[in-house]
Amino acid sequence: AQSVTQPDIHITVSEGASLELRCNYSYGATPYLFWYVQSPGQGLQLLLKYFSGDTLVQGIKGFEAEFKRSQSSFNLRKPSVHWSDAAEYFCAVGESTGGFKTIFGAGTRLFVKA
Amino acid sequence: DSGVTQTPKHLITATGQRVTLRCSPRSGDLSVYWYQQSLDQGLQFLIQYYNGEERAKGNILERFSAQQFPDLHSELNLSSLELGDSALYFCASSTTGGNLYNEQFFGPGTRLTVL
Repeated sequence: AQSVTQPDIHITVSEGASLELRCNYSYGATPYLFWYVQSPGQGLQLLLKYFSGDTLVQGIKGFEAEFKRSQSSFNLRKPSVHWSDAAEYFCAVGESTGGFKTIFGAGTRLFVKA
Repeated sequence: DSGVTQTPKHLITATGQRVTLRCSPRSGDLSVYWYQQSLDQGLQFLIQYYNGEERAKGNILERFSAQQFPDLHSELNLSSLELGDSALYFCASSTTGGNLYNEQFFGPGTRLTVL
Protein backbone atom coordinates (compact mmCIF):
# COMPACT_ATOMS: atom_id res chain seq x y z
CA ALA A 1 0.00 0.00 0.00
CA GLN A 2 1.08 3.53 -0.61
CA SER A 3 2.53 5.42 2.31
CA VAL A 4 4.35 8.63 3.03
CA THR A 5 6.87 9.18 5.79
CA GLN A 6 7.96 12.53 7.09
CA PRO A 7 10.63 11.66 9.65
CA ASP A 8 10.78 15.06 11.31
CA ILE A 9 7.79 16.00 13.48
CA HIS A 10 9.09 19.52 13.91
CA ILE A 11 12.04 21.58 12.76
CA THR A 12 13.33 24.95 13.94
CA VAL A 13 15.41 27.16 11.66
CA SER A 14 16.64 30.71 11.95
CA GLU A 15 15.19 33.33 9.67
CA GLY A 16 17.36 33.61 6.58
CA ALA A 17 18.73 30.09 6.93
CA SER A 18 18.13 27.35 4.40
CA LEU A 19 15.48 24.69 4.89
CA GLU A 20 15.10 21.08 3.88
CA LEU A 21 12.07 19.01 4.84
CA ARG A 22 12.35 15.29 4.25
CA CYS A 23 9.78 13.03 2.66
CA ASN A 24 9.95 9.36 1.71
CA TYR A 25 7.20 7.53 -0.09
CA SER A 26 6.25 3.98 -0.86
CA TYR A 27 4.51 3.45 -4.17
CA GLY A 28 4.75 0.84 -6.88
CA ALA A 29 4.66 3.01 -9.97
CA THR A 30 5.79 6.54 -10.70
CA PRO A 31 3.88 8.51 -8.14
CA TYR A 32 2.09 11.78 -8.15
CA LEU A 33 3.89 13.71 -5.38
CA PHE A 34 2.84 16.89 -3.62
CA TRP A 35 3.84 19.29 -0.91
CA TYR A 36 1.13 21.24 0.87
CA VAL A 37 1.37 23.95 3.53
CA GLN A 38 -1.12 24.56 6.30
CA SER A 39 -0.95 27.79 8.27
CA PRO A 40 -2.59 27.86 11.71
CA GLY A 41 -6.36 27.77 11.43
CA GLN A 42 -6.24 27.51 7.65
CA GLY A 43 -6.89 24.91 5.02
CA LEU A 44 -4.17 23.38 2.91
CA GLN A 45 -2.46 25.15 0.04
CA LEU A 46 -0.54 23.37 -2.70
CA LEU A 47 3.13 24.39 -2.82
CA LEU A 48 4.25 22.20 -5.71
CA LYS A 49 3.71 18.89 -7.45
CA TYR A 50 5.63 16.29 -9.42
CA PHE A 51 4.20 13.92 -12.00
CA SER A 52 6.99 13.30 -14.47
CA GLY A 53 9.81 15.00 -16.32
CA ASP A 54 12.34 17.28 -14.67
CA THR A 55 13.01 15.91 -11.20
CA LEU A 56 13.57 19.37 -9.73
CA VAL A 57 10.26 21.19 -9.46
CA GLN A 58 9.66 24.78 -8.56
CA GLY A 59 6.71 25.88 -6.51
CA ILE A 60 5.18 28.94 -5.01
CA LYS A 61 6.72 31.09 -2.27
CA GLY A 62 10.27 30.22 -3.34
CA PHE A 63 10.03 26.49 -2.54
CA GLU A 64 11.46 23.69 -4.66
CA ALA A 65 11.53 19.92 -4.33
CA GLU A 66 13.61 17.18 -5.88
CA PHE A 67 12.31 13.75 -6.81
CA LYS A 68 14.87 10.99 -6.32
CA ARG A 69 13.52 7.66 -7.46
CA SER A 70 16.52 5.69 -6.17
CA GLN A 71 15.91 7.01 -2.67
CA SER A 72 12.10 7.15 -2.88
CA SER A 73 12.38 10.70 -1.66
CA PHE A 74 10.80 14.04 -2.47
CA ASN A 75 12.45 16.57 -0.18
CA LEU A 76 11.29 20.17 0.03
CA ARG A 77 13.84 22.98 0.09
CA LYS A 78 14.00 26.73 0.43
CA PRO A 79 17.25 28.68 0.32
CA SER A 80 16.24 31.40 2.77
CA VAL A 81 13.40 31.04 5.24
CA HIS A 82 11.14 33.93 6.19
CA TRP A 83 9.22 34.19 9.46
CA SER A 84 5.99 33.87 7.49
CA ASP A 85 7.02 30.34 6.45
CA ALA A 86 6.25 29.06 9.93
CA ALA A 87 3.51 26.50 9.34
CA GLU A 88 2.89 22.78 8.99
CA TYR A 89 4.08 21.10 5.83
CA PHE A 90 2.59 17.93 4.40
CA CYS A 91 4.08 15.65 1.81
CA ALA A 92 1.55 13.55 -0.07
CA VAL A 93 1.28 10.91 -2.77
CA GLY A 94 -1.64 10.67 -5.13
CA GLU A 95 -3.19 7.61 -6.70
CA SER A 96 -5.53 7.41 -9.66
CA THR A 97 -8.26 4.89 -8.93
CA GLY A 98 -11.06 5.93 -11.23
CA GLY A 99 -11.03 9.02 -9.08
CA PHE A 100 -8.09 10.50 -7.22
CA LYS A 101 -6.94 9.55 -3.70
CA THR A 102 -4.33 11.52 -1.80
CA ILE A 103 -2.32 9.94 1.02
CA PHE A 104 -0.66 12.39 3.37
CA GLY A 105 2.36 12.14 5.59
CA ALA A 106 2.10 13.04 9.25
CA GLY A 107 3.38 16.53 8.64
CA THR A 108 6.39 18.56 9.76
CA ARG A 109 5.83 21.68 11.80
CA LEU A 110 8.30 24.43 10.97
CA PHE A 111 9.27 26.99 13.58
CA VAL A 112 11.24 30.06 12.52
CA LYS A 113 13.31 31.92 15.06
CA ALA A 114 14.44 35.50 14.66
CA ASP B 1 -9.58 32.59 -0.04
CA SER B 2 -9.76 29.38 -2.06
CA GLY B 3 -13.38 29.86 -3.11
CA VAL B 4 -14.47 26.69 -1.29
CA THR B 5 -16.89 27.33 1.56
CA GLN B 6 -17.72 25.07 4.46
CA THR B 7 -20.41 25.39 7.07
CA PRO B 8 -20.54 25.43 9.97
CA LYS B 9 -17.08 26.52 11.10
CA HIS B 10 -17.48 24.90 14.48
CA LEU B 11 -19.80 22.19 15.72
CA ILE B 12 -20.10 20.83 19.23
CA THR B 13 -22.26 17.82 19.87
CA ALA B 14 -22.61 14.77 22.08
CA THR B 15 -21.74 11.12 21.59
CA GLY B 16 -24.36 9.16 19.74
CA GLN B 17 -25.63 12.17 17.80
CA ARG B 18 -25.70 12.80 14.06
CA VAL B 19 -24.37 15.87 12.26
CA THR B 20 -24.19 17.15 8.71
CA LEU B 21 -21.28 19.13 7.33
CA ARG B 22 -21.77 21.16 4.20
CA CYS B 23 -19.37 22.11 1.43
CA SER B 24 -19.83 24.40 -1.56
CA PRO B 25 -17.12 23.93 -4.21
CA ARG B 26 -15.52 26.67 -6.27
CA SER B 27 -17.64 27.89 -9.11
CA GLY B 28 -17.25 25.49 -12.03
CA ASP B 29 -15.61 22.69 -10.06
CA LEU B 30 -17.30 19.32 -10.46
CA SER B 31 -15.35 17.26 -7.92
CA VAL B 32 -15.59 17.43 -4.17
CA TYR B 33 -13.23 15.64 -1.77
CA TRP B 34 -13.63 15.14 1.97
CA TYR B 35 -10.73 14.80 4.41
CA GLN B 36 -10.48 14.28 8.14
CA GLN B 37 -7.63 15.75 10.18
CA SER B 38 -7.21 14.48 13.73
CA LEU B 39 -4.37 14.27 16.21
CA ASP B 40 -4.52 10.46 16.21
CA GLN B 41 -4.91 9.73 12.51
CA GLY B 42 -3.39 12.78 10.87
CA LEU B 43 -4.84 13.92 7.57
CA GLN B 44 -6.88 11.22 5.85
CA PHE B 45 -8.77 11.12 2.59
CA LEU B 46 -12.36 10.05 3.11
CA ILE B 47 -14.22 10.18 -0.19
CA GLN B 48 -14.50 11.90 -3.57
CA TYR B 49 -17.60 12.77 -5.57
CA TYR B 50 -17.64 13.90 -9.17
CA ASN B 51 -20.76 15.42 -10.66
CA GLY B 52 -22.97 13.58 -8.20
CA GLU B 53 -21.27 10.20 -8.37
CA GLU B 54 -18.86 8.59 -5.97
CA ARG B 55 -15.44 8.27 -7.60
CA ALA B 56 -12.92 7.28 -4.94
CA LYS B 57 -13.15 6.03 -1.41
CA GLY B 58 -10.60 6.16 1.37
CA ASN B 59 -10.74 5.43 5.07
CA ILE B 60 -14.33 6.39 5.57
CA LEU B 61 -16.21 4.68 8.38
CA GLU B 62 -19.55 3.00 7.72
CA ARG B 63 -21.12 5.49 10.15
CA PHE B 64 -20.13 8.26 7.75
CA SER B 65 -21.75 8.95 4.41
CA ALA B 66 -21.57 11.67 1.82
CA GLN B 67 -23.45 12.85 -1.21
CA GLN B 68 -23.17 15.49 -3.88
CA PHE B 69 -26.29 17.29 -5.01
CA PRO B 70 -27.30 18.52 -8.50
CA ASP B 71 -26.11 22.03 -7.63
CA LEU B 72 -22.72 20.37 -6.84
CA HIS B 73 -22.64 21.17 -3.16
CA SER B 74 -21.79 18.23 -0.94
CA GLU B 75 -22.74 17.04 2.50
CA LEU B 76 -20.87 14.73 4.84
CA ASN B 77 -23.11 12.97 7.33
CA LEU B 78 -21.60 11.61 10.50
CA SER B 79 -23.78 9.43 12.71
CA SER B 80 -23.51 7.58 16.04
CA LEU B 81 -20.74 9.98 16.88
CA GLU B 82 -17.90 8.89 19.14
CA LEU B 83 -15.30 10.91 21.00
CA GLY B 84 -12.72 9.83 18.43
CA ASP B 85 -14.65 11.52 15.64
CA SER B 86 -13.58 14.90 16.99
CA ALA B 87 -11.50 16.37 14.21
CA LEU B 88 -11.17 19.03 11.58
CA TYR B 89 -13.06 18.06 8.43
CA PHE B 90 -11.88 19.59 5.19
CA CYS B 91 -13.57 19.77 1.87
CA ALA B 92 -11.66 20.38 -1.34
CA SER B 93 -12.79 20.85 -4.91
CA SER B 94 -11.26 20.48 -8.34
CA THR B 95 -12.30 21.03 -11.91
CA THR B 96 -12.48 17.43 -13.03
CA GLY B 97 -12.63 14.12 -11.29
CA GLY B 98 -11.20 11.31 -13.30
CA ASN B 99 -7.85 9.62 -13.21
CA LEU B 100 -6.02 12.75 -14.21
CA TYR B 101 -5.01 15.04 -11.43
CA ASN B 102 -6.46 18.51 -11.14
CA GLU B 103 -5.35 20.84 -8.38
CA GLN B 104 -7.52 20.60 -5.33
CA PHE B 105 -8.52 23.78 -3.53
CA PHE B 106 -9.23 23.38 0.16
CA GLY B 107 -11.88 25.02 2.26
CA PRO B 108 -11.19 26.36 5.76
CA GLY B 109 -12.63 23.27 7.44
CA THR B 110 -15.29 22.46 10.01
CA ARG B 111 -14.06 21.71 13.50
CA LEU B 112 -16.19 19.01 15.10
CA THR B 113 -16.03 18.44 18.83
CA VAL B 114 -17.81 15.43 20.28
CA LEU B 115 -18.35 15.57 24.04
